[in-house]
This record gives sequence, structure tokens and C-alpha cells, in this order.
Amino acid sequence: GEDVEQSLFLSVREGDSSVINCTYTDSSSTYLYWYKQEPGAGLQLLTYIFSNMDMKQDQRLTVLLNKKDKHLSLRIADTQTGDSAIYFCAGNHGSGNTGKLIFGQGTTLQVKP
Amino acid sequence: AAGVIQSPRHLIKEKRETATLKCYPIPRHDTVYWYQQGPGQDPQFLISFYEKMQSDKGSIPDRFSAQQFSDYHSELNMSSLELGDSALYFCASSLVGGLGSGANVLTFGAGSRLTVL
Repeated sequence: GEDVEQSLFLSVREGDSSVINCTYTDSSSTYLYWYKQEPGAGLQLLTYIFSNMDMKQDQRLTVLLNKKDKHLSLRIADTQTGDSAIYFCAGNHGSGNTGKLIFGQGTTLQVKP
Repeated sequence: AAGVIQSPRHLIKEKRETATLKCYPIPRHDTVYWYQQGPGQDPQFLISFYEKMQSDKGSIPDRFSAQQFSDYHSELNMSSLELGDSALYFCASSLVGGLGSGANVLTFGAGSRLTVL
């Protein structure tokens, strides 16, 4: 089945760029998503990318997808203390656009002032 | 804008008791999903309903059941609770009908935290 892996922790200084990486095994995922979770809160969708694209930019967020290597990354420009949270990448299980998502373990982003 | 509403936000139960979680999806969303997130874990898909019919099933224990009602709200029933059921339970909703090949964007609720003692 699908397996999604992320590095567990990233620490950056305020104003720097953050890059969170994710690898996945199931190349049939139609879309790949990035979610943000603040402590004790729900999952907030940040952005998503169609599997046939290799880049998507949305304000401070840039998603890069290397389908050959099954590697996804999220770059946050000008990282702020409010960006401190856990970031999950997720792919939909199987083909199509099912809402059955497979999540990575989450990357805790710590932003130091 | 209306979001996904979950209740209760916090619930404490004893082992072997029963718990019921409720979810009110975003109006006009036709699909509801339940996810379980254990402490320090990633969310795991449990079950989903499209137009009140079960549409997909994940790693949901046999002790758990769920349904979607005529007003589209959904309930997750958990019986014979075990310590390992302590988790954050998320409900999400989306509009799937007419989606075509577009992204299925799930909106998550804030979650219901279940503690089993």
C-alpha cells in the first residue's frame, strides 16, 4: 500500500526559508496535499498539487514535485513564528480523487525569533 | 463561512464504555470522512460516507460503527472502549458530486479528543 515518509523535525530562524520534504511510494496518487496542524487544532489545508505538475506557487508557499523520484517538497519563504506547527504531506489512496488520504508522519517546524 | 462542526470537543470514558462522536459537515457537502489521530501519530482514515451510503472503509475496528443521517450529519459510535482508542478523532467533509478530475479538497473539523481511562 501507500507509504508516505517525512523528516520529523526542522528548525529555522524567522525570516529564513523552510523546506519540508516528503517521499511517497504510490505513484497513482492523483493529487498530493500539504496540511498544517497547530497544537491541539485540526488540519488546515495549505495547498495541493496535481500529480502531472512539477511546481505550484501560492504566495509564500512553493510546492515542488519530482514524480520520477516520488519526492514532494514544501518551501515556505520568509518563515514567521506563526508558521510553527506540524506539517503533513498526504496523497490520496489509489487513483482518482478519493478523500481516503494517506498521511506522512508529520514534520514539526520550529521557528526561532 | 461555516466549517465542519464536531462534538463533543473533549470526552473522557472508562474502559469498556461506549462513546458517540458527532459531525456536522459544511452545508451542501455530500461526503463525510472520519480519521483517527493517536498521540504523536499521523491521521489514519477510518471510514467515509457519500450521500448517506458508506463509500470507503479503512482501518476501522469492528467495535466502531458509523452512519450518515438524512440531514448529512454523521456519528461515530465506539463500543467496548480500550485504552488504545484514546486519540483525536477528526471529521472532514467535501463536495464530491460533479468533481470530475478536480482535487477533492477535504475540510477538517477541529477534532474530538477522546481519553479512555
